[in-house]
Amino acid sequence: RKEVEQDPGPFNVPEGATVAFNCTYSNSASQSFFWYRQDCRKEPKLLMSVYSSGNEDGRFTAQLNRASQYISLLIRDSKLSDSATYLCVVNAAGGGNKLTFGTGTQLKVEL
Amino acid sequence: SAVISQKPSRDICQRGTSLTIQCQVDSQVTMMFWYRQQPGQSLTLIATANQGSEATYESGFVIDKFPISRPNLTFSTLTVSNMSPEDSSIYLCSVQGGVTEAFFGQGTRLTVV
Repeated sequence: RKEVEQDPGPFNVPEGATVAFNCTYSNSASQSFFWYRQDCRKEPKLLMSVYSSGNEDGRFTAQLNRASQYISLLIRDSKLSDSATYLCVVNAAGGGNKLTFGTGTQLKVEL
Repeated sequence: SAVISQKPSRDICQRGTSLTIQCQVDSQVTMMFWYRQQPGQSLTLIATANQGSEATYESGFVIDKFPISRPNLTFSTLTVSNMSPEDSSIYLCSVQGGVTEAFFGQGTRLTVV
């Protein structure tokens, strides 16, 4: 089983739609969780951290379910500019600074 | 935040040769990380580079193939040695603020022919 698993997509949605991505992680000792965005041929950039209480940043909402070991990202009112690959990232087993990346979920927002 | 300058941005190399990738950070950092992203895949950590000590390699990666230098707190190099087509990938360097946000260089797109 992969340490971090995501549905690779692609998710093709119309502009204005709401879309949700899930990610599961295998190590229950993981402490920190993130969503990164990677545009085509670009480096990944942090979209948002995921807190136990859930957090929201504008149209983006991230949630963590420790019992089920999954993380979610909800994007409301999708924009064309949201088209990208979204990477689920978890700090490696045992803590420290190592990050484990999911394979990413590709989102395409269309007119 | 941190700004990382990585070069070259891309290269096409003959098999059997070596390529050295450089990363320069705009601030002093204890650890730098080197990742590989193969086509259609996510990022895989190659090694962690600490200044003043040997790099720590992840399973499946060895120093002879991917020697790393870390001469000071703002600079690191990764060499891909004796390249084969299977080494064609994007290589990224990264720094982190503890277990928080990771910042990446722009990546080096390597094609081995």
